[in-house]
Amino acid sequence: GDSVTQMEGPVTLSEEAFLTINCTYTATGYPSLFWYVQYPGEGLQLLLKATKADDKGSNKGFEATYRKETTSFHLEKGSVQVSDSAVYFCALRGAQKLVFGQGTRLTINP
Amino acid sequence: GAVVSQHPSRVICKSGTSVKIECRSLDFQATTMFWYRQFPKKSLMLMATSNEGSKATYEQGVEKDKFLINHASLTLSTLTVTSAHPEDSSFYICSGEASYNEQFFGPGTRLTVL
Repeated sequence: GDSVTQMEGPVTLSEEAFLTINCTYTATGYPSLFWYVQYPGEGLQLLLKATKADDKGSNKGFEATYRKETTSFHLEKGSVQVSDSAVYFCALRGAQKLVFGQGTRLTINP
Repeated sequence: GAVVSQHPSRVICKSGTSVKIECRSLDFQATTMFWYRQFPKKSLMLMATSNEGSKATYEQGVEKDKFLINHASLTLSTLTVTSAHPEDSSFYICSGEASYNEQFFGPGTRLTVL
């Protein structure tokens, strides 16, 4: 079945550091790919998405490119802020339902 | 984005009792709602998909008689955990689907069964 594997956390960085959270997937067909973010005490929010190969999703300085050849959708940000501290989930949607990775907790220190 | 609320946010109950969790889409109509369970440091696992006015579709391994789902209107779905036991303690999250590929998530309900 479809599955998503993402980088184990927790990840701790200093403010203004470069961020990469790795995500790879296994799926039949051509899924849509997503990154969700969960801030403390809140529900999951869609951060960005890509619906086909080579698409780049971007939002709030975060980017991820749909790489079909490597079945990856790594999340990157050039300069993180303390307010980016949250749990990040990579997900795919195949025929009907969302399948999530295990989540990566990110902490940014000032 | 659209807003989904859940109530209660946190509940503690005794073993053997039943607990109802509400999920509401506040500013959109959700023809489909999803219920997830999240274990500590684990991913969200889909429990069931419900469409307004029809029976929920449960994922393999999820007990239908234990986790009762009702989707009575386009803005409300409920999950009832019947005869709860400590192993049912978890974080339950709902989401509503407003359009294809766009799901909006509630803040979650933490259930603790003593």
